[in-house]
Amino acid sequence: AQKVTQAQTEISVVEKEDVTLDCVYETRDTTYYLFWYKQPPSGELVFLIRRNSFDEQNEISGRYSWNFQKSTSSFNFTITASQVVDSAVYFCALSRDNAGNMLTFGGGTRLMVKP
Amino acid sequence: GAVVSQHPSWVICKSGTSVKIECRSLDFQATTMFWYRQFPKQSLMLMATSNEGSKATYEQGVEKDKFLINHASLTLSTLTVTSAHPEDSSFYICSARGGRAGKSYEQYFGPGTRLTVT
Repeated sequence: AQKVTQAQTEISVVEKEDVTLDCVYETRDTTYYLFWYKQPPSGELVFLIRRNSFDEQNEISGRYSWNFQKSTSSFNFTITASQVVDSAVYFCALSRDNAGNMLTFGGGTRLMVKP
Repeated sequence: GAVVSQHPSWVICKSGTSVKIECRSLDFQATTMFWYRQFPKQSLMLMATSNEGSKATYEQGVEKDKFLINHASLTLSTLTVTSAHPEDSSFYICSARGGRAGKSYEQYFGPGTRLTVT
């Protein structure tokens, strides 16, 4: 069975602070894919990143960066110099294929960035 | 990126009535569509997977006779909540996967439909 745990249910930061959202996963598959999605108040899920289990390189995209560590089954997401527009619920998810079929979502972390 | 729409975006209905939610892929053909349910402040739970032209596959615990899914074309899937009850009130999200060149395996999410049953 697959499981994704996001231990932080809510995080509140002040604008310009850095913030890391934790994600820990469980799977018996040797090949799997990890995703992060953003869900702003409007409700629509926004795809942020997909990472396969064989690629442990960290990735940076603007103010966003991801740290994938297979040894600890973690795929953490860091926002540098947070902005109010970053306020949203962020979901980490796990799938057996790169299309995200049968996605298993974590519980989500609600990030509130205050001005 | 690809666009998936849902209609309606929100609906209020009385207990006992049925509600149909549409999910459309606007600029690509969706061979597979997924339906999720999200309760307030909770995560998304997969309800069912539907492939065009075949019956939907429901997740354990989801009543197929209550949540009717039809995927009659490559651009449209519908979810009908039959005999809705207040406990069916939720945010329903669809996603679609399908055949754009180079992106046949991408999954795109719709904006969601908020259902309130009174």
